[in-house]
Amino acid sequence: SQQGEEDPQALSIQEGENATMNCSYKTSINNLQWYRQNSGRGLVHLILIRSNEREKHSGRLRVTLDTSKKSSSLLITASRAADTASYFCATVPISGSARQLTFGSGTQLTVLP
Amino acid sequence: GAGVSQSPSNKVTEKGKDVELRCDPISGHTALYWYRQSLGQGLEFLIYFQGNSAPDKSGLPSDRFSAERTGGSVSTLTIQRTQQEDSAVYLCASSAGGTVGADTQYFGPGTRLTVL
Repeated sequence: SQQGEEDPQALSIQEGENATMNCSYKTSINNLQWYRQNSGRGLVHLILIRSNEREKHSGRLRVTLDTSKKSSSLLITASRAADTASYFCATVPISGSARQLTFGSGTQLTVLP
Repeated sequence: GAGVSQSPSNKVTEKGKDVELRCDPISGHTALYWYRQSLGQGLEFLIYFQGNSAPDKSGLPSDRFSAERTGGSVSTLTIQRTQQEDSAVYLCASSAGGTVGADTQYFGPGTRLTVL
């Protein structure tokens, strides 16, 4: 079963614009990770944010985490056509030694040249 | 070093046959995970290994599914008597197995299984 929802389900923007994707989850977490997937195959890890962190940056990516609202956002600035992909958030729960990821439903991002 | 590798990349089989999917994790990673991705169910956790033992098998959908890991490295996911609903992309991931809060999982390219 999936942990939560991502919105929007699909997003289409022009190259150079910023893209924001949101993720909500249901249970308390150890960390939240964002992944990118091209063409329905392997997942590429983008960024991990720990439950005691509120914001994290990596290049053109900015991730925020609000544990009180059980939500996270991924911002991609100055988007490029190569950013076209599906983006997933995934959480690791606070539950003993549990390490498995529970994924959201994903956002399909299309960046138009 | 090299990333997570999986073989085969594609597998087409007939209903009722057994299949084996292989995963080679990143060298030195103690934790290994299997997930599957299908249109109807999204990304689902199947099983997790720490070393050669599987503390969490909660995601295996039925007793037709089993997995093993040997030498703390290669893992094999076996599906017996395949059914059409087993058609999916099977993804393997590995992680260093350190502190849970900071343990990043790295994924392989997946095996696309089609059951006719």
